[in-house]
Order: sequence, then C-alpha cells, then structure tokens
Amino acid sequence: EMELVESGGLVVQPGGSLRLSCATSGFMFGDYTMHWVRQAPGRGLEWVSLITWNGNTAYYSDSVKGRFTISRDNRKNSLFLQMNRLRIEDTAFYYCAKDLGGGDSYYFHSWGQGTLVTVSS
Amino acid sequence: DIQMTQSPSSVSASIGDRVTITCRASQDISTYLAWYQQRPGKAPNLLIFGASNLQSWVPSRFSGSGSGTDFTLTISSLQPEDFATYYCQQANSFLPPTFGGGTKVEI
Repeated sequence: EMELVESGGLVVQPGGSLRLSCATSGFMFGDYTMHWVRQAPGRGLEWVSLITWNGNTAYYSDSVKGRFTISRDNRKNSLFLQMNRLRIEDTAFYYCAKDLGGGDSYYFHSWGQGTLVTVSS
Repeated sequence: DIQMTQSPSSVSASIGDRVTITCRASQDISTYLAWYQQRPGKAPNLLIFGASNLQSWVPSRFSGSGSGTDFTLTISSLQPEDFATYYCQQANSFLPPTFGGGTKVEI
C-alpha cells in the first residue's frame, strides 16, 4: 500500500527556518515527480513546489521562490522541503504528494496526512 | 498564472440529490483538469483526472465533463460520505498548477 508521511512541522518565529520531510513507501519513488502543496487552516489549496524524478529540475510558486528549496533522496525514498525566511503567511498544513505520472501534466495522485507549520512570534 | 473559478462556493443538499459543481479556467486548458475531494481534517483525494477519468476507487455516481475553459463535476445521487469540500485543479504543463477556491457540499 502506498504511504506518504510528512514530518517536521513546528511553531517557528518569523524569519526562522524549518526542514520538512516526507517518507514514502509502497511505490517506486524514484520514478515519479513529487510535489509539496500547502493549505492554510480553513483555506484552499496552494501548490508550492515540485521536483522531477531524478532531482535535476525543481519549480516553485512565486510566493516561496528564493526562500524554499525542494530536494529528494531516491535511495531513502524521501522528499524534503527546506524553508527559510519564514513569514506569517507561510502558516499552513504542508502535504507531500506523488504525481500521477505519465508525462505532460501535473496531477496529485497520492497525498500524505500533512504536517502543520505555524509561523508566529 | 491560470485562474480557476469554482461555483458555487457552498451547496446545501440532501441524500439522493443530484449535485453539480462548475469550474472555469481563465484560459484554455484542454482537458487537463482534476477534481479532488477533501473531508474535514483529512488530506485531499484525487477523484477525477483528465476532466472525466475516474480514479479506480471512485463510485460511478461521480462524473466529470468539459474541455477548454468550462468543466463540471456531477454527483448523481448524493450519499452521506460525499459531504466534503471539492476542489478543481488545472494540470496543464504550464506552471504553476492552480486550484479553484473549493465547493463545500453540506446538508
């Protein structure tokens, strides 16, 4: 059974840093593009970042570009999100998601349970 | 960025009702459209991709249609487990992927 488990969410002060992890199992992790998607409490969904299967290419939303870095370790079936210069508006549940695969589109096929990042002084 | 507009933002319905949710893209996205169901306190689940392709676990009372800029999610006969929030998402390869604002289906 496919499983994605996020960890690392904490309460952090504005300007601080945090590293999220996503441990996966049950599928060929190294074959898939992976994403981070976030959701502020009580709000809608916002795509944050993606990384291609081999880790060679990453994309970011404008709201996090230059502050967040996505990475992966295919030997450990794990996805990461390094979050720097955190802002209050970064407060959200952060989900890692497996891409559906199959080429030229981005569908979020499987999701973790989410980890809560709270940025507050 | 492609803007996705969902309507209505909420709908009150009863068991057995037919429910229709619409999603409009700000530009042509062909059929690169997904629908997600999110129950309270849970992660979203992919229901439909490619505008009309149901995931294997999705009951046949769900259907999706549309292409270009206008799309529809229909639940033909609402069941208790269908009370949730539904999101559309454009999956065109032009980044970023963007979501509609959500439609809450409630009693």
